[in-house]
Amino acid sequence: NAGVTQTPKFRILKIGQSMTLQCTQDMNHNYMYWYRQDPGMGLKLIYYSVGAGITDKGEVPNGYNVSRSTTEDFPLRLELAAPSQTSVYFCASSYNRDTNQPQHFGDGTRLSIL
Amino acid sequence: AQSVAQPEDQVNVAEGNPLTVKCTYSVSGNPYLFWYVQYPNRGLQFLLKYITGDNLVKGSYGFEAEFNKSQTSFHLKKPSALVSDSALYFCAVRDGGVDFNKFYFGSGTKLNVKP
Repeated sequence: NAGVTQTPKFRILKIGQSMTLQCTQDMNHNYMYWYRQDPGMGLKLIYYSVGAGITDKGEVPNGYNVSRSTTEDFPLRLELAAPSQTSVYFCASSYNRDTNQPQHFGDGTRLSIL
Repeated sequence: AQSVAQPEDQVNVAEGNPLTVKCTYSVSGNPYLFWYVQYPNRGLQFLLKYITGDNLVKGSYGFEAEFNKSQTSFHLKKPSALVSDSALYFCAVRDGGVDFNKFYFGSGTKLNVKP
């Protein structure tokens, strides 16, 4: 199993550009999450999804959008990149809420907005 | 509100000595607690969890954690540290009451184990 796969690993964007961060998992997990990690700040939840067709906002959703058309994929969209969105982005997945299984993380996308 | 606090940005310990990384939490319902480790340029990896039962839980790589309900703490411990344990450690909580779908993470503690 590949687990959680994120692409790209690194990206530099100019202010105002847009891009999509890809995330896919092959564990048939219902729940998927997007976090951003800033130095000394831990992980902040951007959006999450409890199943295909269902998404909800986390702590810091402004400037981002998501979709969940399949169980496997959970892309994160930045429409108008801003310097404040420079961060490391992690996608994670977990099984359903009843089992309390831990989250599985991808290796991250390092994004710089210049 | 749900929250997790890791009061130490960094913990330094000599190889072979015991280590403790502290974590306290605040939730409205029953807490489901997790520890993760992060190595450079990698995602977080699960170490151990507390859901219910014994207050002392054992996890990967010789780590264990002690749940203390009265102190709302879930400290990570290891009897004898290794240089290879040097990494960033995150405590996380899932609220059994409200916002069950979400995990809340602490700010992380950098563990430095010196030979």
